[in-house]
Amino acid sequence: GAVVSQHPSRVICKSGTSVKIECRSLDFQATTMFWYRQFPKQSLMLMATSNEGSKATYEQGVEKDKFLINHASLTLSTLTVTSAHPEDSSFYICSASHKQGDQPQHFGDGTRLSIL
Amino acid sequence: AQSVTQLGSHVSVSEGALVLLRCNYSSSVPPYLFWYVQYPNQGLQLLLKYTSAATLVKGINGFEAEFKKSETSFHLTKPSAHMSDAAEYFCAVISNTGKLIFGQGTTLQVKP
Repeated sequence: GAVVSQHPSRVICKSGTSVKIECRSLDFQATTMFWYRQFPKQSLMLMATSNEGSKATYEQGVEKDKFLINHASLTLSTLTVTSAHPEDSSFYICSASHKQGDQPQHFGDGTRLSIL
Repeated sequence: AQSVTQLGSHVSVSEGALVLLRCNYSSSVPPYLFWYVQYPNQGLQLLLKYTSAATLVKGINGFEAEFKKSETSFHLTKPSAHMSDAAEYFCAVISNTGKLIFGQGTTLQVKP
């Protein structure tokens, strides 16, 4: 089946650092990738939708200058948390689909981000 | 707008007992519905999906769900729980803009 790889699985860094998370579709071309954030014991919150070759579409309340998304190829999207602070600590999950609206989405294993 | 509500944030069953996780949906159009499972510190794995074909949908790991339009429900069941079924379960619906909308999640605990 379709595989999505997310890297790193866990990162711990100091406040003020920028952190990049990669999401790769390993065996299919992903026109659309999604980035979610999940707080402990809560559901997934969609942060943004990225389409290959165009700007990401951010959900209401998500700071696009804080969470930079790049989707430069059909197999890779990156999320950069800029100048991270402790309140940015969370579990970040990406998903990918062949094209927007295509279901089901295929999820990565998530990245646990801890800002000290 | 589409939405799903999962009744019960925590369900506890004994090993070998029936598993029933409840999900009710709200949608103005025929919905596409999904159940996902999440193990600790992992992403989501698709259990099954309903896309307007058969109302009884069989998924992986012995799970199935029945779409009931009259009750606006899509409950997830498994006849006999296994210890390895302990996880977080999410019901989800596709919005009219193609986005996945998740329920609040239900933690399934399986007791020996």
